[in-house]
Amino acid sequence: AQSVTQLDSHVSVSEGTPVLLRCNYSSSYSPSLFWYVQHPNKGLQLLLKYTSAATLVKGINGFEAEFKKSETSFHLTKPSAHMSDAAEYFCVVSDLTGNQFYFGTGTSLTVIP
Amino acid sequence: DAGVIQSPRHEVTEMGQEVTLRCKPISGHDYLFWYRQTMMRGLELLIYFNNNVPIDDSGMPEDRFSAKMPNASFSTLKIQPSEPRDSAVYFCASRPMFSGGNNEQFFGPGTRLTVL
Repeated sequence: AQSVTQLDSHVSVSEGTPVLLRCNYSSSYSPSLFWYVQHPNKGLQLLLKYTSAATLVKGINGFEAEFKKSETSFHLTKPSAHMSDAAEYFCVVSDLTGNQFYFGTGTSLTVIP
Repeated sequence: DAGVIQSPRHEVTEMGQEVTLRCKPISGHDYLFWYRQTMMRGLELLIYFNNNVPIDDSGMPEDRFSAKMPNASFSTLKIQPSEPRDSAVYFCASRPMFSGGNNEQFFGPGTRLTVL
């Protein structure tokens, strides 16, 4: 069975400092992994995805994530936080068909001016 | 591309009333998904369609919920009768059949339902 665990429900950073949002996954096969972002009262937007190509994945708005099989992790990072990054972030693993998405519980990112 | 379109964006209704949520997937996408987001349960898949046919409705909470996809460009999620515990944000998503190993789902903006 597939699942993801987001290790922090809330993360608070100062503007201009690095962001680290942690995600561990469980999958019985090589997974497809995603990070989605949800701004207040908005829908879900794809930040980046891993589908067994390069282990370091670059996404939009300066975000990137590294797939580490040995650690079963897919942490999301950004070198310098911006106020507009304040949002809810979801780590997702899909089944082989791509039709069942397993969402983490989300990490709320606060950016302090 | 307009993306996935959902209507209404907000719905407030009274307990016992029928509620219909609507979704227009991205043109050319073969799969359509309905999700519900609540504080208690997070994001959960309710049902999905492939080429307008319901494939897996195991996530539908009970018989009060029903979903249809009469054609490739339109789907509805109906709750009858509605209850306060149905209050949530309902998302529709779609994706194409063949995506080169990329299973990305494209999400709509959601419908925020409040049942009083």
